Amino acid sequence: QVQLQESGPGLVKPSQTLSLTCTVSGGSISSGGYYWSWIRQHPGKGLEWIGYIYYSGSTYYNPSLKSRVTISGDTSKNQFSLKLSSVTAADTAVYYCARDKDGSSGSFDCWGQGTLVTVSS
Amino acid sequence: DIQMTQSPSSLSASVGDRVTITCRASQSISSYLIWYQQKPGKAPKLLIYAASSLQSGVPSRFSGGGSGTDFTLTISSLQPEDFATYYCQQSYSTVYTFGQGTKLEIK
Repeated sequence: QVQLQESGPGLVKPSQTLSLTCTVSGGSISSGGYYWSWIRQHPGKGLEWIGYIYYSGSTYYNPSLKSRVTISGDTSKNQFSLKLSSVTAADTAVYYCARDKDGSSGSFDCWGQGTLVTVSS
Repeated sequence: DIQMTQSPSSLSASVGDRVTITCRASQSISSYLIWYQQKPGKAPKLLIYAASSLQSGVPSRFSGGGSGTDFTLTISSLQPEDFATYYCQQSYSTVYTFGQGTKLEIK
C-alpha cells in the first residue's frame, strides 16, 4: 500500500523559499504512470491544487502560482519536492502531497498527512 | 479557472437521515467531478470519482450523480463516522479546483 509523508520546515520567513519533500513508500514514483501532486489548504479554508510532476519528470503548475513554484523528483530517494519562492503570510497553509489514482484523472486516492507551514518573521 | 460552488455550506442532520449535497460548476465539466470527505486534522479521503464511481472501500451508502454543471453527493443513511466536511473537485480542466466545502454536523 502506497504511503506518502511530507517533511520540511514548519516556519518560513517572508520573502524566503518554502521547501517541502514528499517521501513515497510502498511504491515507486518512477513506475506505473502516476502523477504526483502538491495541494494546500489555508487554515479553516478550502483546498488549492498547486501542481504535479509526472513519473517522466514533466510538470504542470497552477497558473496562479506558476511564477513561484517548482516541483521536482528524485527517483533514487523515491521523493518529490515542492519549492515556493517569495512567500508571504498568504502562503501559510497545510501542504499535502498526493497521488493521482489513474493517470491525470485528477482523483487523488493517496495523501500524505499534511504539514503546516507558517510564514512569519 | 472553473469555479465550483457547493450548497449548503453547512448542514445539520441526524444519524439515519438521508442527506444530499450539491455542487455546481461554472461551466460544463461533463462527468469530471470528484467528491472527498475530510475530518478535522486529517487529509481528504476520496469517495467518488467520475461523478458516480465509488472508490474502492467506500461504503455503498455514498453515491454521486449528475453531469454537465450540476452534481450531487448523497448519503443514504447517515452514520456517526460520516460527520465531516465534504468537498467537490473538478478535473475537466488540468487546473483542478475545489468547492468551498460543506460541513455536515450532528443535529
